[in-house]
Amino acid sequence: QSVLTQPPSASVTPGQRVTISCSGSSSNIGSNSVTWYQQFPGTAPKLLIFSNNQRPSGVPDRFSGSKSGTSASLAISGLQSEDEADYYCAAWDDSLSGYVFGSGTKVTVL
Amino acid sequence: EVHLGESGGGLGQPGGSLTLSCTASGFSSRSFVMSWVRQAPGKGLEWVADISGPGDNTHHAGSVRGRFTISRDNSTVYLQMNSLTAEDTAIYYCAKRHGGNFYYFDHWGQGILVTVSS
Repeated sequence: QSVLTQPPSASVTPGQRVTISCSGSSSNIGSNSVTWYQQFPGTAPKLLIFSNNQRPSGVPDRFSGSKSGTSASLAISGLQSEDEADYYCAAWDDSLSGYVFGSGTKVTVL
Repeated sequence: EVHLGESGGGLGQPGGSLTLSCTASGFSSRSFVMSWVRQAPGKGLEWVADISGPGDNTHHAGSVRGRFTISRDNSTVYLQMNSLTAEDTAIYYCAKRHGGNFYYFDHWGQGILVTVSS
């Protein structure tokens, strides 16, 4: 059972927008920044969004992150077939003294 | 260029031990927190442990505390895994934490498979 809760899947047609939610608590999202990782099958995760809403260089601006209270969300606009992947949110948890990941959301491009 | 390379995986016996190594290059690894993250087959990501740059401060996930130990020696980070169970079967990734106040991983290794089975 993951500490951070995400929907297991999302299916979107190309060109549309998808939003993935990440629900936590006061000890993790509520008090620390949120990170989003993208993972393609058989490969290592890749940093997608850090510090709630910052994109590393090379990440398209179609990807955006936000945080409010104990929840966060990742939005992908103008969805492309290459965006089909698993997406994980994560944050440090002060109560657990550990880094916690969301359960992951599989994005499928129809 | 930052590179993280894991080694030492393979088949482990239930109740047995394995030691994973992560060799870092392309940056001053002693200046950064390093972590191990694992992913069981078909499952999500699970943070396992981290270690400070000097190696004097560590954190371990509750699921491995008392069985796994993270350590480091110069540019190599280790994960000593004892009392292995089938639930420890996973791909283990070495990850570099970004420097600064925010906790996130900016570089990952390619991962190494650990299978616990008799």
